[in-house]
Amino acid sequence: DQQVKQNSPSLSVQEGRISILNCDYTNSMFDYFLWYKKYPAEGPTFLISISSIKDKNEDGRFTVFLNKSAKHLSLHIVPSQPGDSAVYFCAASGSNFGNEKLTFGTGTRLTIIP
Amino acid sequence: NAGVTQTPKFRILKIGQSMTLQCTQDMNHNYMYWYRQDPGMGLKLIYYSVGAGITDKGEVPNGYNVSRSTTEDFPLRLELAAPSQTSVYFCASSPRVETQYFGPGTRLLVL
Repeated sequence: DQQVKQNSPSLSVQEGRISILNCDYTNSMFDYFLWYKKYPAEGPTFLISISSIKDKNEDGRFTVFLNKSAKHLSLHIVPSQPGDSAVYFCAASGSNFGNEKLTFGTGTRLTIIP
Repeated sequence: NAGVTQTPKFRILKIGQSMTLQCTQDMNHNYMYWYRQDPGMGLKLIYYSVGAGITDKGEVPNGYNVSRSTTEDFPLRLELAAPSQTSVYFCASSPRVETQYFGPGTRLLVL
């Protein structure tokens, strides 16, 4: 039972264009969402997060959008740079069940084409 | 400040052998986690700890054990290695649950 889904295993984008990574969730008790970035042979690193009381959070080139009614969030990267090539994981947690754990999606491999 | 360190980086085990994956953090975080990542899959939580002396099972705990005697260390024990435990293992720590800091991972191959 995959509660956090990233349906696109891979995505290729031209350098300078916008990258849009998508994530869907099924558990309505999730109220905090995060994106992590992972380079090969390294651990994931935190990128950006959003609480369910917001519908948008921006940090430099990275913006996360949350659509609670659709149980959908997306990560926008603009402009995309070669260093953005990595695997991106969406994750979710819920205060109703202790907020102690994150549930991760399966990841999307983003490749930025120079 | 080294963050989260994991040893070893890579290990080959024979079926039935045992080993301990070490994880240490120097950020004084209360929360610590063990995940495994199989090819093409997301991170699956094995065990976690909310403080020294307190551990709990995650999504895939079978075949593993943990202990948390200090704030800094959270070792993961495999007692009887099986091919299904071939994976990359990540340890993470967090001052609060949302923002987790990950170690570089341990790649384990069970043959």
